[in-house]
Amino acid sequence: DTGVSQDPRHKITKRGQNVTFRCDPISEHNRLYWYRQTLGQGPEFLTYFQNEAQLEKSRLLSDRFSAERPKGSFSTLEIQRTEQGDSAMYLCASSPRGGSYNEQFFGPGTRLTVL
Amino acid sequence: GDSVTQMEGPVTLSEEAFLTINCTYTATGYPSLFWYVQYPGEGLQLLLKATKADDKGSNKGFEATYRKETTSFHLEKGSVQVSDSAVYFCALTLTGSGANSKLTFGKGITLSVRP
Repeated sequence: DTGVSQDPRHKITKRGQNVTFRCDPISEHNRLYWYRQTLGQGPEFLTYFQNEAQLEKSRLLSDRFSAERPKGSFSTLEIQRTEQGDSAMYLCASSPRGGSYNEQFFGPGTRLTVL
Repeated sequence: GDSVTQMEGPVTLSEEAFLTINCTYTATGYPSLFWYVQYPGEGLQLLLKATKADDKGSNKGFEATYRKETTSFHLEKGSVQVSDSAVYFCALTLTGSGANSKLTFGKGITLSVRP
């Protein structure tokens, strides 16, 4: 059983360019989350999918950010017109349905550096 | 809004020393509480959890008790090892119908254990 995978692991881009990250959750996990972690801070919630439906977006997610989860499997996070402030680690997590709480399993993250 | 406050770090201890990492929270509902750990070069992993007041979560010699009266979830270990060196994050999620189970994290604290 493989865990949550993310691709790429590292991305260096120039300001103004668009970037796209991919997350493959644990199979049969219907919930998928994106978080952003900056240096010295804990992860901050960005957005949440249940199956293919995007049910919540944080106000941290500006109009330049868009996330999709077609067919309720993998997810992509796109950042358009990147800014230096977008430099961070982008984490994906998945969890199964049900229960009074849901343990979230995290991927290794994609580290974005905007020059 | 919901928030988690962790004690300031970093923390440096000698092997076999006693560890306490403080965590307090504020929540609009009834949260589940977690400690996540991030070992060098690895992704976030769940260390332990507690879902209701007075529950004690435990794993790998670490313990934390859900204290509703003091809104705290302090992490303790009686005898730390060099292999415990990592970043530790306290987190919460709201439970109940309609909650999307997004995690709210503290800033994290770096623990270094010297031989």
